[in-house]
Amino acid sequence: GENVEQHPSTLSVQEGDSAVIKCTYSDSASNYFPWYKQELGKRPQLIIDIRSNVGEKKDQRIAVTLNKTAKHFSLHITETQPEDSAVYFCAATPYNNNDMRFGAGTRLTVKP
Amino acid sequence: EAQVTQNPRYLITVTGKKLTVTCSQNMNHEYMSWYRQDPGLGLRQIYYSMNVEVTDKGDVPEGYKVSRKEKRNFPLILESPSPNQTSLYFCASSLYALGGGAGQPQHFGDGTRLSIL
Repeated sequence: GENVEQHPSTLSVQEGDSAVIKCTYSDSASNYFPWYKQELGKRPQLIIDIRSNVGEKKDQRIAVTLNKTAKHFSLHITETQPEDSAVYFCAATPYNNNDMRFGAGTRLTVKP
Repeated sequence: EAQVTQNPRYLITVTGKKLTVTCSQNMNHEYMSWYRQDPGLGLRQIYYSMNVEVTDKGDVPEGYKVSRKEKRNFPLILESPSPNQTSLYFCASSLYALGGGAGQPQHFGDGTRLSIL
């Protein structure tokens, strides 16, 4: 089955800097890759997603890139702000299955 | 307001005492699922349902049961809870099943923190 690995597990940046979180997946048939943000004590919420027929997608300060050949995808946050501090999860959905596999999460801290 | 509602939000109980965590969505979604979240392990899927009367095991189904008698409800049942089931549980739903190229975001409930002594 699909296995998703996420790095780093913790990331600390200065306000205004960029942050990058990377995920790898094992199932080459996976074709949908969402990213969720979970603030302390809250539910995970979708922030951006990408499908396998697209290499990059951007939404204001957030972007996701996908490399199908290498089977990895990354979340890029530019001009970070303290409110970006949260745990971020990547996920992958295999074509031949009906589940969604999550990475272990990255705790991002943005220092003012 | 479109939402996924879980109850209870918090529960402390004892080993062996059957419990049910309810989940209801008002978005007419076909797909519903249950996850448990443990530190350092991310979100692991327990069970999912592609539609009424259709359920299947996820990664960690042992010790849990589910049912999908109505489209909007997907309760999680712990018949004989044990301390290793102490965790934060999330119910989620999406419009359609996730596979076959129809990948889409899941909407999560607010979570149920379960402590089993």
